Amino acid sequence: AQKITQTQPGMFVQEKEAVTLDCTYDTSDPSYGLFWYKQPSSGEMIFLIYQGSYDQQNATEGRYSLNFQKARKSANLVISASQLGDSAMYFCAMRRTGYSTLTFGKGTMLLVSP
Amino acid sequence: DVKVTQSSRYLVKRTGEKVFLECVQDMDHENMFWYRQDPGLGLRLIYFSYDVKMKEKGDIPEGYSVSREKKERFSLILESASTNQTSMYLCASSFGGRSTQGHTGELFFGEGSRLTVL
Repeated sequence: AQKITQTQPGMFVQEKEAVTLDCTYDTSDPSYGLFWYKQPSSGEMIFLIYQGSYDQQNATEGRYSLNFQKARKSANLVISASQLGDSAMYFCAMRRTGYSTLTFGKGTMLLVSP
Repeated sequence: DVKVTQSSRYLVKRTGEKVFLECVQDMDHENMFWYRQDPGLGLRLIYFSYDVKMKEKGDIPEGYSVSREKKERFSLILESASTNQTSMYLCASSFGGRSTQGHTGELFFGEGSRLTVL
């Protein structure tokens, strides 16, 4: 079975600083995909970034990048130049190739202060 | 833009009532999902469907059933609501059918339905 671990229940960062949200995963499958979602207080889940297990380069989307270390089974989200609007819950998730469901971690609450 | 619409943002029901949570997507996605979100537990999969009239149990199906009579609509049913089913319910959809061949498998979520059972 797959498992996603997010060890940081909460993180604080000052505006304009970078922050790293940790995610480790456990799977025996050779092929899989990793996702990060953002959930603001409004409740909607917003897709941020995707990394395939065979992708040669780390994924980037604007201020978001995914620090993918396959041997360590980690997929940390890096947010550069934090903004107040980044305050939200962040979820890491994994999908096994060939399957449609995602397994989610418990989430990390990020608070960005002025 | 993909739109996943959940019929109710907030519901309050009494123990023993039958509860219907409705979800509609407008992008012709094959897959639809119901997750439950609780503080400290993250999102847990209740049921999913990869085609009309097809359904599969997720990690926590007990106390729930689902219906998918049309491709765009996926309903979650609580036959007899209990207080431990008080939670946020999230519907999602994605491309690709059972294997999501050729897609990342990204899920598109609705805004959630917060259910309180008294």
